[in-house]
Amino acid sequence: QQPVQSPQAVILREGEDAVINCSSSKALYSVHWYRQKHGEAPVFLMILLKGGEQKGHEKISASFNEKKQQSSLYLTASQLSYSGTYFCGTEMDSGGYQKVTFGIGTKLQVIP
Amino acid sequence: DTEVTQTPKHLVMGMTNKKSLKCEQHMGHRAMYWYKQKAKKPPELMFVYSYEKLSINESVPSRFSPECPNSSLLNLHLHALQPEDSALYLCASSHRGQGGYEQYFGPGTRLTVT
Repeated sequence: QQPVQSPQAVILREGEDAVINCSSSKALYSVHWYRQKHGEAPVFLMILLKGGEQKGHEKISASFNEKKQQSSLYLTASQLSYSGTYFCGTEMDSGGYQKVTFGIGTKLQVIP
Repeated sequence: DTEVTQTPKHLVMGMTNKKSLKCEQHMGHRAMYWYKQKAKKPPELMFVYSYEKLSINESVPSRFSPECPNSSLLNLHLHALQPEDSALYLCASSHRGQGGYEQYFGPGTRLTVT
C-alpha cells in the first residue's frame, strides 16, 4: 500500500527550513528516504526502523513515530543543492531483501 | 567500488524487437531489484532477486523477463514491448547497513518503445 506523502511541492528560499511527512495506515518495519534530482537516479538518504528513532545526515534529519506510523524529514537551513524530489519508501517486513513502496514524492525547489 | 552501473543509458526499440538491459554491482550486495519509473512518478518495483533467486515478481507482464546470472549481474530481457512501457528502468542493490537494508540505485536506462 502506497504511503501518503505531503506536501506534494514546496518552494523555499535558501536558509529556510522544510518538513516533509510520510504516513501509512499499515504497521511499518522501516521508512526510507531518497532524493532524486531531475534526470538522475534516486539517492539513499537514510532509513529508520520500527521502534521509533531519529537520525541525522548533515542538515537533513528524520524521525519515525511508530505509534502513528508516520515519518518526517526535516531539512534545515536549506541549500540550493537540496532541490529535487524527495520520496519516502515504506517497508512492512524484512526478509533479507526489501519490498519498498514509494510515496508520490515531494518536489522541493530551493531558490536564491 | 560503491556504485551500480547500468547499460545502455538510452534505448529506442520497436514493438517487435528483442533487447536486454544490463545491471552490475561489485559491492557484494546479495539483493538486486528492477524498478520502472514513469515521468513525475515514484519508482515501481518490478522484480527482486535475493541470493540470485527470484523472490518477488510484482505481476509484471511476461514481455519483461529478468535474469540473474551471478551475484553481481542482473539482466532484464525485453520482447514485444508496448509504447506504454516507455519509462526509466532503474536497477538497485541493497545491503544491510547499521540501521537496516540500504538500497543503492543505478543511473537507469531510459527506454523508448516506438
